[in-house]
Amino acid sequence: GNSVTQMEGPVTLSEEAFLTINCTYTATGYPSLFWYVQYPGEGLQLLLKATKADDKGSNKGFEATYRKETTSFHLEKGSVQVSDSAVYFCALSPGGSYIPTFGRGTSLIVHP
Amino acid sequence: NAGVMQNPRHLVRRRGQEARLRCSPMKGHSHVYWYRQLPEEGLKFMVYLQKENIIDESGMPKERFSAEFPKEGPSILRIQQVVRGDSAAYFCASSPQDSYQETQYFGPGTRLLVL
Repeated sequence: GNSVTQMEGPVTLSEEAFLTINCTYTATGYPSLFWYVQYPGEGLQLLLKATKADDKGSNKGFEATYRKETTSFHLEKGSVQVSDSAVYFCALSPGGSYIPTFGRGTSLIVHP
Repeated sequence: NAGVMQNPRHLVRRRGQEARLRCSPMKGHSHVYWYRQLPEEGLKFMVYLQKENIIDESGMPKERFSAEFPKEGPSILRIQQVVRGDSAAYFCASSPQDSYQETQYFGPGTRLLVL
């Protein structure tokens, strides 16, 4: 079956530090890959997505590259801000299916 | 263009009562999805609906849970005879099409607490 594995949190960083949140997946076919962000008390917001191998999704300084050979979609940001503190979810939508599979989420805490 | 709207945002019920959760999709979206999020877990798919049709309810418990998306009005997720294990955040999402590449837009969620 399909699955998404994210690194355990919380990830605690100082402002302006470099961020990496690892995400690996297993899926049949050629899935689309997504990163969602959830701020406290809110719903998920799409952060970025990639629909085929070697695509790079980017938004608000975050980026992730679809790596088919390593089945990974790691999230990176060069310089985090306090306002980036949130829970980040990696997800995939398998080819031909509308039902995404979500990872368990990784909490990010950024200190001033 | 208003986003996906859910109400109530918070709902408290006693064991055995009924819970009704409402979701209004984004304007122009005819596909609605319901998810449940347990504490410190990812979202789990429950049901996928189009107007007046349940397309896929494979993630929904067979008993006590039902969902509808009438021709007019919001989508409703109904939980009868709630138990403490139903306490969770329930999120609704909508999309204009059912393509697997189509982005789903999420509402703010309803947080259900069963006492």
